[in-house]
Amino acid sequence: EAQVTQNPRYLITVTGKKLTVTCSQNMNHEYMSWYRQDPGLGLRQIYYSMNVEVTDKGDVPEGYKVSRKEKRNFPLILESPSPNQTSLYFCASSFQGANTGELFFGEGSRLTVL
Amino acid sequence: RKEVEQDPGPFNVPEGATVAFNCTYSNSASQSFFWYRQDCRKEPKLLMSVYSSGNEDGRFTAQLNRASQYISLLIRDSKLSDSATYLCVVNMRGSQGNLIFGKGTKLSVKP
Repeated sequence: EAQVTQNPRYLITVTGKKLTVTCSQNMNHEYMSWYRQDPGLGLRQIYYSMNVEVTDKGDVPEGYKVSRKEKRNFPLILESPSPNQTSLYFCASSFQGANTGELFFGEGSRLTVL
Repeated sequence: RKEVEQDPGPFNVPEGATVAFNCTYSNSASQSFFWYRQDCRKEPKLLMSVYSSGNEDGRFTAQLNRASQYISLLIRDSKLSDSATYLCVVNMRGSQGNLIFGKGTKLSVKP
């Protein structure tokens, strides 16, 4: 089954404790992206990757890191999480860029930073 | 002016009604436009792309007005299952990587 898989789906952590949210897609998509969704603010792009070893900042990259060492994986790293990073995070992928076709989203990862 | 703005919701309509959502975008160089649907606590899913000539998919019609920089979504004969939040999505600055989502408009279809 074609899908984007995120883990963990739910996480409660404390300020400053490094964490990684994994994202994996099995559709051989070149493009991957991370979003956060907050009430009243909608979906905002954090980072995106056009292909392996190619990453770029979205609109709200502060406090996040990403890597794209393999085509299928695009982990989101919070080196020192803070309470303002409490949010619902979505990973998405697309065959070729964000403007040419359908974005496939993972089911989301709800993160709470205390 | 916000980059992508949508009608404020919620829209509460009876089954069978026709409902229209509008969305305006600020960057005239925007090239790609989409409507996504998001059910409560779920991930967004593509409803339809929006083409310059307008396009229709069953009960759904999307239109683009580049001169006025807005796109619209029309839903005819609303069903209970249409209840969701509808997100307007625009590809800004002509880039392939950066998508801007509107905040969404919530639709609730009542029996």
